[in-house]
Amino acid sequence: ILNVEQSPQSLHVQEGDSTNFTCSFPSSNFYALHWYRWETAKSPEALFVMTLNGDEKKKGRISATLNTKEGYSYLYIKGSQPEDSATYLCAPSTGNQFYFGTGTSLTVIP
Amino acid sequence: GAGVSQSPSNKVTEKGKDVELRCDPISGHTALYWYRQRLGQGLEFLIYFQGNSAPDKSGLPSDRFSAERTGESVSTLTIQRTQQEDSAVYLCASSLFGRAETQYFGPGTRLLVL
Repeated sequence: ILNVEQSPQSLHVQEGDSTNFTCSFPSSNFYALHWYRWETAKSPEALFVMTLNGDEKKKGRISATLNTKEGYSYLYIKGSQPEDSATYLCAPSTGNQFYFGTGTSLTVIP
Repeated sequence: GAGVSQSPSNKVTEKGKDVELRCDPISGHTALYWYRQRLGQGLEFLIYFQGNSAPDKSGLPSDRFSAERTGESVSTLTIQRTQQEDSAVYLCASSLFGRAETQYFGPGTRLLVL
């Protein structure tokens, strides 16, 4: 079993603030790193998939970076909006298994 | 186009009964995944299909769980002799080619074992 840690566990920010979360994972046998956004009562939504060390992906105000050598990924949200409120999950995959962190719960206060 | 669909959306069963959950992936998606979320817990990976084969079944929680996929399309997750700890939301996802592709999730099946 892969130990995936996400921090912080929860976060409250004011609308307009920028924020970032961390996903840490063992770097051995790494294949890909997935980030998901999961709103209450909805299904998870894929945000990014990254495979290469140094990868950076961007989708609107959200971006992510990957460091496979040291085993971490950062997710950044610029100018948070209330609709960004959700749980953000990361999942590294090795072989044919996926390992989920417990997520970072983000609440954006209007 | 149509997204991932799952049926039933809700299932209530008695302990000891067998249940079958169905997933219809997006047409043309060769990879299919099963996950579950038990109450108060995180998302848990169960199994991944590439085409009709599952390279690694070790994520299935016990030998009461089995999964099949036919025609590189529909997949069924079967739970035999259900236990109360099997109560969870079971989510299915599909992706175009494989494990490094964007996954698209279905709405889930909420299973309650009494």
